[in-house]
Amino acid sequence: AQKITQTQPGMFVQEKEAVTLDCTYDTSDQSYGLFWYKQPSSGEMIFLIYQGSYDEQNATEGRYSLNFQKARKSANLVISASQLGDSAMYFCAMREGVYNFNKFYFGSGTKLNVKP
Amino acid sequence: GAVVSQHPSRVICKSGTSVKIECRSLDFQATTMFWYRQFPKQSLMLMATSNEGSKATYEQGVEKDKFLINHASLTLSTLTVTSAHPEDSSFYICSAGSTGGSYTEAFFGQGTRLTVV
Repeated sequence: AQKITQTQPGMFVQEKEAVTLDCTYDTSDQSYGLFWYKQPSSGEMIFLIYQGSYDEQNATEGRYSLNFQKARKSANLVISASQLGDSAMYFCAMREGVYNFNKFYFGSGTKLNVKP
Repeated sequence: GAVVSQHPSRVICKSGTSVKIECRSLDFQATTMFWYRQFPKQSLMLMATSNEGSKATYEQGVEKDKFLINHASLTLSTLTVTSAHPEDSSFYICSAGSTGGSYTEAFFGQGTRLTVV
């Protein structure tokens, strides 16, 4: 079974509007971390936001927020007030275990296009 | 924040030659490094886990004799693509972490775009 599922291969959003990128995950571990990364065409992986499995509050980082619904095993990324520079690939990732640096499981990605 | 430097960013090599890619942690000691491969328009696929001072652990389907990984120090891991063929052309990216660091940390190199001609 896929550990991370991103069902939206591509998304379009109008500049200045909000957009939600979906992510569901599968794990039997109690401790895990969920991450979102942005990958522009240059290829670098830019860390956006992190949510720990024990965190009760949804994570927020500037215009990024993570809608964490543990029972549904979903960790959707919300980008508010989209900007043209937000156009990129977005990957949801999970790392099992919180206190060890374990490998990431990545989703297939969502290509976001922000229209002017 | 911590920085992981990957070199080279782009390399073109002839079929049959070997290519070495370096991944360095610049301001922390990386006890563990991961090597990923990414084909165009696809996700990152883990190739191997590299632990300092021990043999790398390869994912299923990854040829360890073709993709040689060395993690000789706490700041450097290398991936050598041996006898490269055009099908090895891909984007390779490393990530590094430390057991002494925050569990939220996950640092990636800039990636290496390999083209085998």
